[in-house]
Amino acid sequence: DAKTTQPPSMDCAEGRAANLPCNHSTISGNEYVYWYRQIHSQGPQYIIHGLKNNETNEMASLIITEDRKSSTLILPHATLRDTAVYYCIVISGGYQKVTFGTGTKLQVIP
Amino acid sequence: GAVVSQHPSRVICKSGTSVKIECRSLDFQATTMFWYRQFPKKSLMLMATSNEGSKATYEQGVEKDKFLINHASLTLSTLTVTSAHPEDSSFYICSAAVGGSSYEQYFGPGTRLTVT
Repeated sequence: DAKTTQPPSMDCAEGRAANLPCNHSTISGNEYVYWYRQIHSQGPQYIIHGLKNNETNEMASLIITEDRKSSTLILPHATLRDTAVYYCIVISGGYQKVTFGTGTKLQVIP
Repeated sequence: GAVVSQHPSRVICKSGTSVKIECRSLDFQATTMFWYRQFPKKSLMLMATSNEGSKATYEQGVEKDKFLINHASLTLSTLTVTSAHPEDSSFYICSAAVGGSSYEQYFGPGTRLTVT
């Protein structure tokens, strides 16, 4: 599976959009980009995933560059409850094991 | 969405005893489940892949005789930490894979193990 690079930490003001970048320059054609988050002392929570098109759901939007070498997770109106570690993961389809990197610790500030 | 539960959520045991942690997929069948451990302020580390009806596949460096995994049904996988020691104290998390053309993995809430 391709490796990913994320900034270790970010701050975001409450109510503003949080834009979390992820670099995955070695991604291959059949690999999806997945985002999970982990709130302190809880299991990771699935947020969104995509292959090459931009995706949006009730939680977030995922913007994938045309060359698929990077992506951005957007939380449109961050709340204090969005404070968590966000993991960007690249995996191929099927029952593949997930390798977690260090993620980005997002702190939403009142 | 798919729900995965773990039991117990917290357990304290004495050194030398064994502890069993259960992972259940509540509203779907999971042919594959995964077990992770997480140390404080660290990322999740995959321990093993559990396949229903067959032996688990362990990651390098994980002792299979110490961390016994059983995946006897499509909704239940268990992790038994045998002869636990204080260094086994950790946050253990399981996940279950949902079928389909793309990959979705849902995680349990985790089990906090403290070995005294």
